[in-house]
Amino acid sequence: ETVMTQSPTSMSTSIGERVTLNCKASQSVGINVDWYQQTPGQSPKLLIYGASNRHTGVPDRFTGSGFGRDFTLTISNVEAEDLAVYYCLQYGSIPYTFGAGTKLELK
Amino acid sequence: EVQLVESGGGLVQPGASLKLSCVASGFTFSDYWMSWVRQTPGKTMEWIGDIKYDGSYTNYAPSLKNRFTISRDNAKSTLYLQMSNVRSEDTATYYCTRCTRGGLLLLQWWDYWGQGVMVTVSS
Repeated sequence: ETVMTQSPTSMSTSIGERVTLNCKASQSVGINVDWYQQTPGQSPKLLIYGASNRHTGVPDRFTGSGFGRDFTLTISNVEAEDLAVYYCLQYGSIPYTFGAGTKLELK
Repeated sequence: EVQLVESGGGLVQPGASLKLSCVASGFTFSDYWMSWVRQTPGKTMEWIGDIKYDGSYTNYAPSLKNRFTISRDNAKSTLYLQMSNVRSEDTATYYCTRCTRGGLLLLQWWDYWGQGVMVTVSS
C-alpha cells in the first residue's frame, strides 16, 4: 500500500500570504495525485487532478506540482475561504490512499 | 446540476449487515465509474472501492474486500454499498463520489461528492 505523508499537519497563516502544503508518497505514483479541500461540515471538494491540473472553477491562486514521490499544493494570496483541511490522494496503485490532511488555520 | 444523495446509514450492531444507496442525478450515470470513500470521526479518509460504468468490474481496498460489495443499477441511476459483518472501526461517514477518467495519461479525479451518510456501529 502506498502511504501518503502530508506535512505539516497544520499551519497558521495570515490572509494574503502564500503557503505550501506537502505530500510525499512512499513509492512513485507518477502524476497520479489529486488534491481535495474540505471545510467544516462539508464534503471534500476537488482542487487539483493529475498533480498539476486545476479543476474547473478553482481559483488560479491554487497551484499543484510534483511527480513521482513529492507533491506540493501552493496557495497564493490566501483568502478567508481557504481555511480548511487539504488532502492529497494517490491513485497510482490500489488501494488508492489519502494523506492525513493539512489543516490551514488563521494566525 | 449534478447531485449524489446517499441514504441507508444509521446505528447498527456489530456483526450486522447494512446497505447504503446513492441516487445520482444531473448527469448520465451509466457513463461514469463511481466510488465509495469513507471518513472516520477522526477525519481519516479511506477509499473503499469503485465500479466500472457498466458494472462489469470492481476494485476494492484489500482490507475491505471480503466484507464490502459495490454494485450499481444504471436503470435507477443508483450506486450501492453492501456492508456485512460490520465492526466498530467501520463507524464513519460514507461518501458516494463520481470518478472522471480522462486523458492520454489515464488521469482520474473525483469531481462530485454526496453529502455523506453516517454509519455508527455500536451495541
